[in-house]
Amino acid sequence: NAGVTQTPKFQVLKTGQSMTLQCAQDMNHEYMSWYRQDPGMGLRLIHYSVGAGITDQGEVPNGYNVSRSTTEDFPLRLLSAAPSQTSVYFCASSYSKLNNYGYTFGSGTRLTVV
Amino acid sequence: QKEVEQDPGPLSVPEGAIVSLNCTYSNSAFQYFMWYRQYSRKGPELLMYTYSSGNKEDGRFTAQVDKSSKYISLFIRDSQPSDSATYLCAIRKPGGGNKLTFGTGTQLKVEL
Repeated sequence: NAGVTQTPKFQVLKTGQSMTLQCAQDMNHEYMSWYRQDPGMGLRLIHYSVGAGITDQGEVPNGYNVSRSTTEDFPLRLLSAAPSQTSVYFCASSYSKLNNYGYTFGSGTRLTVV
Repeated sequence: QKEVEQDPGPLSVPEGAIVSLNCTYSNSAFQYFMWYRQYSRKGPELLMYTYSSGNKEDGRFTAQVDKSSKYISLFIRDSQPSDSATYLCAIRKPGGGNKLTFGTGTQLKVEL
C-alpha cells in the first residue's frame, strides 16, 4: 500500500536511552518531515528534508537528529531520551511543490520516556 | 501571539447539525490554507486545500477564507457520527517552502 510507514507504533524508553524512529514512504516524495504532537500544543515541526542529503531544523530540534540518505527513508534519532520527549511523533511527506494533495502522514509512534 | 490560533473545543453537536470550525492567523501574507482531519490514534489526513479568499466546496465540506479578517473556517453540513474527529487548520507561509504551521486542533463529537 502506498503511503508513509512508521515503526515502531509504541515505545517505552528509560531516561538517557537512545533510539531511532523509522519512517519510509513509497510515493517518491521529495519532502519529508517529522512532527511531534502534544496536548494543547498541536503539531510542531522537529526536522525536515527537501531531498536526499538535505536536512534542516524545524521549530523544536533540540535532542533530535535526522539524516536522509535515500528518497524513501527519513529516520529520527533521539540521542539521550528525556521525559520531555514523551509525545506522539508523526512523519509526513509531500511532493517538492506543495499542492492540493498536501502532506501524507504516517500513523504515528507513541513514545513514553520514564 | 501564536501564528495560528484554534479553539480546542471539545465541540459536541447532534447528528445532522451544521458545524463551524474556525482558525485565526496573525500574518496577512500567509497564503495556502488547509484543513486536516485526525481520527483518534491516527495520523492527520488532508480534507481541504485553498489558496485564495472565498469558498471551496467538496461534498458536505466547505472551506472559507477571509484574508481581510485573517480568518479561515470549515463548515460541515449534515454532520455524521463518522465526522467525530479532531480538525486541524494549517497554513503555509510565503517563502516557507513546504513547511506548514498547524493550529492546535478542535475536537468534534457528533452524537446520535
